[in-house]
Amino acid sequence: NAGVTQTPKFQVLKTGQSMTLQCAQDMNHEYMSWYRQDPGMGLRLIHYSVGAGITDQGEVPNGYNVSRSTTEDFPLRLLSAAPSQTSVYFCASREYRSGEAFFGQGTRLTVV
Amino acid sequence: QQPVQSPQAVILREGEDAVINCSSSKALYSVHWYRQKHGEAPVFLMILLKGGEQMRHEKISASFNEKKQQSSLYLTASQLSYSGTYFCGTAPNQAGTALIFGKGTTLSVSS
Repeated sequence: NAGVTQTPKFQVLKTGQSMTLQCAQDMNHEYMSWYRQDPGMGLRLIHYSVGAGITDQGEVPNGYNVSRSTTEDFPLRLLSAAPSQTSVYFCASREYRSGEAFFGQGTRLTVV
Repeated sequence: QQPVQSPQAVILREGEDAVINCSSSKALYSVHWYRQKHGEAPVFLMILLKGGEQMRHEKISASFNEKKQQSSLYLTASQLSYSGTYFCGTAPNQAGTALIFGKGTTLSVSS
């Protein structure tokens, strides 16, 4: 049982490049979310999904797109990377309403 | 809107107690507590639902006062392994579709 798998673990991008951070879970959880973590800012919600085909914006959605075509996968797309998007990104999945959230191991992204 | 955590940092000796608070300006349906060690992903501690039920995880307990929109995490007889950053996450709707986390409280326990 792999849980939540994020790839890649590390990535360096040049300003203006685009890329997709991958997130997959094998627990059949309905809810999935993307967070970014910056020093002193905690975990900030970027986008979230309550099921296949349903996504919504979180606290800091600008510059990011998501889609949810299957229950298992929830990729995060950076459209045109900016230095302000340098951060550690976490994907999380959990069961409906009161479930424990399981986090992936994170992707450390640097935009130069 | 992020919940507000206090204090920002706590320094303890082994065996001492600590309280971490989490408050929100919005009505809450549940509060979720996580601990993150340096360089690792956050790990679930406990969930508190409306009704003020107190939960426990080892020597860590928590309370939830939905009228005051507050939760507190109580760490009793702290151990070295308790060091890390503690986050509270709040679910602002009954469906709990998304968790909004506070900025965290860093706990350092020394021997």
